[in-house]
Amino acid sequence: GESVGLHLPTLSVQEGDNSIINCAYSNSASDYFIWYKQESGKGPQFIIDIRSNMDKRQGQRVTVLLNKTVKHLSLQIAATQPGDSAVYFCAENRSGYALNFGKGTSLLVTP
Amino acid sequence: EAGVAQSPRYKIIEKRQSVAFWCNPISGHATLYWYQQILGQGPKLLIQFQNNGVVDDSQLPKDRFSAERLKGVDSTLKIQPAKLEDSAVYLCASSPRGAALGNEQFFGPGTRLTVL
Repeated sequence: GESVGLHLPTLSVQEGDNSIINCAYSNSASDYFIWYKQESGKGPQFIIDIRSNMDKRQGQRVTVLLNKTVKHLSLQIAATQPGDSAVYFCAENRSGYALNFGKGTSLLVTP
Repeated sequence: EAGVAQSPRYKIIEKRQSVAFWCNPISGHATLYWYQQILGQGPKLLIQFQNNGVVDDSQLPKDRFSAERLKGVDSTLKIQPAKLEDSAVYLCASSPRGAALGNEQFFGPGTRLTVL
């Protein structure tokens, strides 16, 4: 079936550096993408979303980039902090279909 | 605003036993979801309710899993009998409206099930 996957299972960055988490999707019909953050023992928490008619969206310290040509999504976290340590999931959605999550990337922020 | 509540937080059972999980969504949220999250993987949708009706249960193993949302508010998910491969975190989420794009889902903390 169609898949949403992440390039790297783990990412280690130093505090204060920028982080980039990547995600590939295979369904060209996907028209909505979301990034979730999941801390240990908690449910996923919405970070930022983007629709397929956009290629960039910015939030507070986070930016999502969408490249529909190569079916690639990335999450950029500026000035990464220890509290950013978590597993990050990308998810894709199509109208009338359930949210489809990828496997996740574990982000570890070191002092 | 209170979030999505789930109980219990942890449950350990032996295979072939039964187990039930409870979810109380955010007040006023019409849509409720149950997900299964196996260790190291993303959540997988089991069932979606719109008020008290089932919208999507295509990935629910109906021979052993059942779920209900009788009054369109709280929901229970049951497994009977449990198998070893059912060990996972069971997440409940709710959203204000249906499966429309951009309809943010709010997740509860999950119930971690271990089947021995």
